[in-house]
Amino acid sequence: QKEVEQDPGPLSVPEGAIVSLNCTYSNSAFQYFMWYRQYSRKGPELLMYTYSSGNKEDGRFTAQVDKSSKYISLFIRDSQPSDSATYLCAMSGGTSYDKVIFGPGTSLSVIP
Amino acid sequence: EAGVTQSPTHLIKTRGQQATLRCSPISGHTSVYWYQQALGLGLQFLLWYDEGEERNRGNFPPRFSGRQFPNYSSELNVNALELEDSALYLCASSFGLAGTDTQYFGPGTRLTVL
Repeated sequence: QKEVEQDPGPLSVPEGAIVSLNCTYSNSAFQYFMWYRQYSRKGPELLMYTYSSGNKEDGRFTAQVDKSSKYISLFIRDSQPSDSATYLCAMSGGTSYDKVIFGPGTSLSVIP
Repeated sequence: EAGVTQSPTHLIKTRGQQATLRCSPISGHTSVYWYQQALGLGLQFLLWYDEGEERNRGNFPPRFSGRQFPNYSSELNVNALELEDSALYLCASSFGLAGTDTQYFGPGTRLTVL
């Protein structure tokens, strides 16, 4: 079993839809959770950063962490064509020398 | 504030050659991370340098090596290139403490091995 699993998609939604992106993980030591957006042929850019369980909202984006279920989600409200990208979840154990483990990414297309 | 920069943007080599990739972190960041992103695969952790020392290493053969300079810039060297080394190589930087700090990525170097 991989440490972090993510549905690769592709996911195609109409403009204005609510998008739900999810990751599951197996390592209960993970405490820091991140979502990155990666446009084609570019480096990933950080979208959301959360610690432990709970919700965090930033504009149209909401990140949820459920440590009891080892499940994290990213919701995008009022999706726009500019949201079309690959979304990577990432997580780490929270000690100084832990590696950050990335999911394989979900490809999202928002159709005008 | 300038972001993470990488050079070259593209690199074409033949099998058996050596490749050198360079990265300059965000000003003030002391940690530099290298990742490999092969087509259709996720980010695979390669190396982490902090304050000039190698702090952690991914599951890659020894022909993948690197170093960090006193100005915190970094170099990734890949010896004896193989076809499967063709990938986007991403560098990221942070203030340090990889497990707790966010990483900011550069645009990557696309390495093609023929």
